[in-house]
Amino acid sequence: QLQLQESGPGLVKPSETLSLTCTVSGGSISSSSYYWGWIRQPPGKGLEWIGSIYYSGSTYYNPSLKSRVTISVDTSKNQFSLKLSSVTAADTAVYYCASTETGRGDAFDIWGQGTMVTVSS
Amino acid sequence: DIQMTQSPSSLSASVGDRVTITCRASQGISNSLAWYQQKPGKAPKLLLYAASRLESGVPSRFSGSGSGTDYTLTISSLQPEDFATYYCQQYYSTPITFGQGTRLEIK
Repeated sequence: QLQLQESGPGLVKPSETLSLTCTVSGGSISSSSYYWGWIRQPPGKGLEWIGSIYYSGSTYYNPSLKSRVTISVDTSKNQFSLKLSSVTAADTAVYYCASTETGRGDAFDIWGQGTMVTVSS
Repeated sequence: DIQMTQSPSSLSASVGDRVTITCRASQGISNSLAWYQQKPGKAPKLLLYAASRLESGVPSRFSGSGSGTDYTLTISSLQPEDFATYYCQQYYSTPITFGQGTRLEIK
């Protein structure tokens, strides 16, 4: 059973870069059976898709964040990561990594527990 | 971007009730729709995908239907563990977008 776990700093200063990692266990990040995504949820608000990366290496980002976002894969560590630059208080949220098994479109069937990131000086 | 509008935004119901939540897309999404359940402090849980396909392990009291722009999630007989917030999500085109959520509360 695939499991995901986010990790990274819980506090980031304004204008700096938010960096999070998602460690995959129970499966290979290189597998063509899965693709990977990041979703965030500001406190008390709804869900916002940040972007996804496919086994081919192709990435798709939310245009509202595209200029600031990078998602990449580290096959040696079975991890994928999120970098969000020039953060502001509006980027304060719970950040989830998630996966989609091939055949479910882009419905995210496995989620990490989420990690709260606060942007504050 | 495809806008997803859920109704109602909140709903009070009793155990045993039949409940329906609606999700409307701003354009046709060809059944590329998922439903999630989220409880406080927890990650969302996938209930259905492709509008009506039940995710493995999800109770059969959950069902989905719809086509084109209009979709529904139905819970046939509410159980105490079903009180949560529900989100729809379209994956027909990027950016992937979610509805604003429907909070299901105990009456």
